[in-house]
Amino acid sequence: GDSVTQTEGQVALSEEDFLTIHCNYSASGYPALFWYVQYPGEGPQFLFRASRDKEKGSSRGFEATYDKGTTSFHLRKASVQESDSAVYYCALGAYQGGRALIFGTGTTVSVSP
Amino acid sequence: DPKIIQKPKYLVAVTGSEKILICEQYLGHNAMYWYRQSAKKPLEFMFSYSYQKLMDNQTASSRFQPQSSKKNHLDLQITALKPDDSATYFCASSQDRDRGRNTEVFFGKGTRLTVV
Repeated sequence: GDSVTQTEGQVALSEEDFLTIHCNYSASGYPALFWYVQYPGEGPQFLFRASRDKEKGSSRGFEATYDKGTTSFHLRKASVQESDSAVYYCALGAYQGGRALIFGTGTTVSVSP
Repeated sequence: DPKIIQKPKYLVAVTGSEKILICEQYLGHNAMYWYRQSAKKPLEFMFSYSYQKLMDNQTASSRFQPQSSKKNHLDLQITALKPDDSATYFCASSQDRDRGRNTEVFFGKGTRLTVV
């Protein structure tokens, strides 16, 4: 079945550091790929998506490029701030059925001032 | 203003009891979902509804029953509660163009259920 793998479970950074979270997917067809962010006490919030090979999604300084060849959608940000501390989820739009989003296990990002 | 309202925010239940989690969305969406988040399985898909019809059920147990009385409502009834059911349950919705596969899915703030 379709699945998403996030390599990093936790990432600890200082402000202005570069952030990379690795996301790889396994799916039939050509799924849309998403990044969501979740703050404490909140539900996940849409960050951005990409729908085709080599398409770049971006929002709030975060970006990721859909790579069908390596089945990846890695999240990057050049200079993180303390306010970026949150849990980040990579997700894919399920190609069949009504499942909507399939999420990875999430990456907790902690940014210290 | 929250566009997806979940009630209650916190819920404590006794093992073996039954509870209903309430969800209302005011985004005009036709597709609604339930997800569960726990330490064991983060953000696990449970159900999807489209135009008040069940489209997908990935919950193995029949103890979990979604109920859609109105277009913008999707409640979740859980019977014979077990401690393992302790989790945060998120209601979500999206436009139904392709049932969320390619569009933004909006989430509520969740109901945190603790079964003792």
